[in-house]
Amino acid sequence: QVQLQESGPGLVKPSETLSLTCTVSGGSISSYYWSWIRQPPGKGLEWIGYIYYSGSTNYNPSLKSRVTISVDTSKNQFSLKLSSVTAADTAVYYCARWPGSMLSPMDVWGKGTTVTVSS
Amino acid sequence: SYVLTQPPSVSVAPGKTARITCGGNNIGSKSVHWYQQKPGQAPVLVVYDDSDRPSGIPERFSGSNSGNTATLTISRVEAGDEADYYCQVWDSSSGVFGTGTKVTVL
Repeated sequence: QVQLQESGPGLVKPSETLSLTCTVSGGSISSYYWSWIRQPPGKGLEWIGYIYYSGSTNYNPSLKSRVTISVDTSKNQFSLKLSSVTAADTAVYYCARWPGSMLSPMDVWGKGTTVTVSS
Repeated sequence: SYVLTQPPSVSVAPGKTARITCGGNNIGSKSVHWYQQKPGQAPVLVVYDDSDRPSGIPERFSGSNSGNTATLTISRVEAGDEADYYCQVWDSSSGVFGTGTKVTVL
């Protein structure tokens, strides 16, 4: 079955860019939308955005000015870049798969990776 | 932006029924998905499209959606059901999560 694995630095300095990658295994990245979600310590889930395998994107308006999501179909990976980070961006970051229908949930999730923003 | 409101906490005795609400403007016109999250773990889908269950999820988990409120119902609650629960919808192709509800089994 499809599995997702997040990877990237666990510590990022304030004002720098957070970069994470999600590797899709056990299936193709094609024909699906791929999301990033985050969860600050002790808080709820926040949807960051998604990318379609063809490259089209949609971002949370509250983060849109700082977020870039990209895809590399040859590696079965997609990536998140969040610029100008502050302590408020400290969170567990999850990647997830979405089939693309409003009737569909995010049905496969990675285990998450913790990112701390600190000098 | 679209807002989903959940009660912060729900307490229930073992064997009883827990009901978790998710309020949103005309949410009945949307498809609602529910996730269970235990400490230190990723969310797990328990109900999708208002009332469908993924394979492997017990029949004790059920959902409904009408008007301005969607509800996740957990029947015959067990200790292992203690977790945070989040509702989620797609609004204009953007993901929206509810504020989350902590279910405590007494």
